[in-house]
Amino acid sequence: EDQVTQSPEALRLQEGESSSLNCSYTVSGLRGLFWYRQDPGKGPEFLFTLYSAGEEKEKERLKATLTKKESFLHITAPKPEDSATYLCAVGGGASKIIFGSGTRLSIRP
Amino acid sequence: DTAVSQTPKYLVTQMGNDKSIKCEQNLGHDTMYWYKQDSKKFLKIMFSYNNKELIINETVPNRFSPKSPDKAHLNLHINSLELGDSAVYFCASSQDLSGGSGETQYFGPGTRLLVL
Repeated sequence: EDQVTQSPEALRLQEGESSSLNCSYTVSGLRGLFWYRQDPGKGPEFLFTLYSAGEEKEKERLKATLTKKESFLHITAPKPEDSATYLCAVGGGASKIIFGSGTRLSIRP
Repeated sequence: DTAVSQTPKYLVTQMGNDKSIKCEQNLGHDTMYWYKQDSKKFLKIMFSYNNKELIINETVPNRFSPKSPDKAHLNLHINSLELGDSAVYFCASSQDLSGGSGETQYFGPGTRLLVL
């Protein structure tokens, strides 16, 4: 059965303190791995799509990487405005995407 | 110039009532979805429509019925609302079927449903 597990559940960092969020997945035939950012009271906002192991994508302070079993969202020198819940999702052969439960990231000034 | 919009944003209603949530996308996408996000923030797919045709119908009660009048609109009608239906409902769209093609989904702002 397709499964997505995100860790940690919550992460508190000091401004400027770099770290990584993990997304481990089990899927039959990966079609795409997606990262989203969700702010309180809003819908998920698309960040990245990764398609194959070894692929990397960057946007401002965020960098997403992909292996055959997991993806990492690296955040470099974060700012308070990076505080949000980060969601990982995978698309497999079942024509739907499965979401993880998210990592709540909090950046203290 | 919202890409995926939903109405209403908030919905407070009594148990047993029937209500509808509307969704529209102006991205020219072929596929639209309804998701439910529970109190633990887990996003779970309910339905998907591709070009007005039902593609995914997860195990949801028959009280939930989606309707797609055209490929830019996907509405969700809920009959006989129950307390457990309280959640945030998100509409999303993609160019094609996600998972099958790996296409990115774009989400609306959500409808917060509270059943009293």
